[in-house]
Amino acid sequence: GNSVTQMEGPVTLSEEAFLTINCTYTATGYPSLFWYVQYPGEGLQLLLKATKADDKGSNKGFEATYRKETTSFHLEKGSVQVSDSAVYFCALSDQGGSEKLVFGKGMKLTVNP
Amino acid sequence: KAGVTQTPRYLIKTRGQQVTLSCSPISGHRSVSWYQQTPGQGLQFLFEYFSETQRNKGNFPGRFSGRQFSNSRSEMNVSTLELGDSALYLCASSVSGGLLTDTQYFGPGTRLTVL
Repeated sequence: GNSVTQMEGPVTLSEEAFLTINCTYTATGYPSLFWYVQYPGEGLQLLLKATKADDKGSNKGFEATYRKETTSFHLEKGSVQVSDSAVYFCALSDQGGSEKLVFGKGMKLTVNP
Repeated sequence: KAGVTQTPRYLIKTRGQQVTLSCSPISGHRSVSWYQQTPGQGLQFLFEYFSETQRNKGNFPGRFSGRQFSNSRSEMNVSTLELGDSALYLCASSVSGGLLTDTQYFGPGTRLTVL
């Protein structure tokens, strides 16, 4: 079945450091790819998404590019802030109207001042 | 616009009991999905409802069931609770559920503890 593998951490960075969270997937067909973020005590929020190969999703300084040849969707941010401390989930959804998301295990990021 | 609301936020039950969780989607959203989040298994899809019909189902035993009402509000029920059912249960709503063009908005979750 479809699956997502991502770095699990936890990871601790200093403010203004560069962030990369690796995410690779296994899927039949052409899934859409997502990054969700979960702040402490809150539900999941969509951070960005890409629906086809070579698409780049971006939001709040975060970026990820849908790489079909490497089945990857790595999340990057050039300069993290303390407010970026959260758990980050990579996810995919099947093409063809399937309404379910398949999530990676999540990675906890802590950013220190 | 109000977000997705889930009630109750916290629940403590004992093994063998049953429990009902409620989810109110964002106004105008007709698709409601449920997910279970545990430290060991991560986030797993339970089921999705659209216009009062279950449209998609994950790999959970029949003890897990749900329904959706005409106002799009949804409930999920877990019967004969087991210790392993302790989890954060997340509800998500979207306009139509089609994830190519739509976005799922998640509620804060219901934390269920089974003793």
